[in-house]
Amino acid sequence: KTQVEQSPQSLVVRQGENCVLQCNYSVTPDNHLRWFKQDTGKGLVSLTVLVHENDKTSNGRYSATLDKDAKHSTLHITATLLDDTATYICVVGDRGSALGRLHFGAGTQLIVIP
Amino acid sequence: DMKVTQMPRYLIKRMGENVLLECGQDMSHETMYWYRQDPGLGLQLIYISYDVDSNSEGDIPKGYRVSRKKREHFSLILDSAKTNQTSVYFCASSFHRGPYEQYFGPGTRLTVL
Repeated sequence: KTQVEQSPQSLVVRQGENCVLQCNYSVTPDNHLRWFKQDTGKGLVSLTVLVHENDKTSNGRYSATLDKDAKHSTLHITATLLDDTATYICVVGDRGSALGRLHFGAGTQLIVIP
Repeated sequence: DMKVTQMPRYLIKRMGENVLLECGQDMSHETMYWYRQDPGLGLQLIYISYDVDSNSEGDIPKGYRVSRKKREHFSLILDSAKTNQTSVYFCASSFHRGPYEQYFGPGTRLTVL
């Protein structure tokens, strides 16, 4: 059973618009949650990591929130650029070390059009 | 420059042929991983290696084996490849303990005909 669900599956926005990506999970324990960006044909690049209950992070135009009670995270992208076109993957780690496992969502495919 | 490399980037094989995928990292990470990524699914863990000759099965090890003879290199081997092993394979590496983050390679796209 999928333990990390992302929505929407795909999203098309116009350059300059804002967008919000959702991640719901059932992983227990939930040590941390990380958002990755995957450009087409490339590897995963970390955008941000959230660790604590009600964590909020910001990385340039990317900001993220985590609600551990609700097991829910959002990734906000502000003033989108064409280069934001990519798949965004939510990953939940059940431990803070290599002794744990990462649980991957299937990703949200974001397409930014001119 | 911290990096995970994978070779080859693209590979086409016939069913029944042997496949060798190579991964390297220059960060002295103890732990290395092999994943596969299929459309509509999250990455699935095939094997994990905690150090040289210290390998453990992941969630989908069947049909695969691994080799780690040097800390910086981790190989994935498919003996007699099957068409359902067509996928994109990612290698990753991390320190064994904190700060914990996995660094991913660019992937190898394998097609088994």
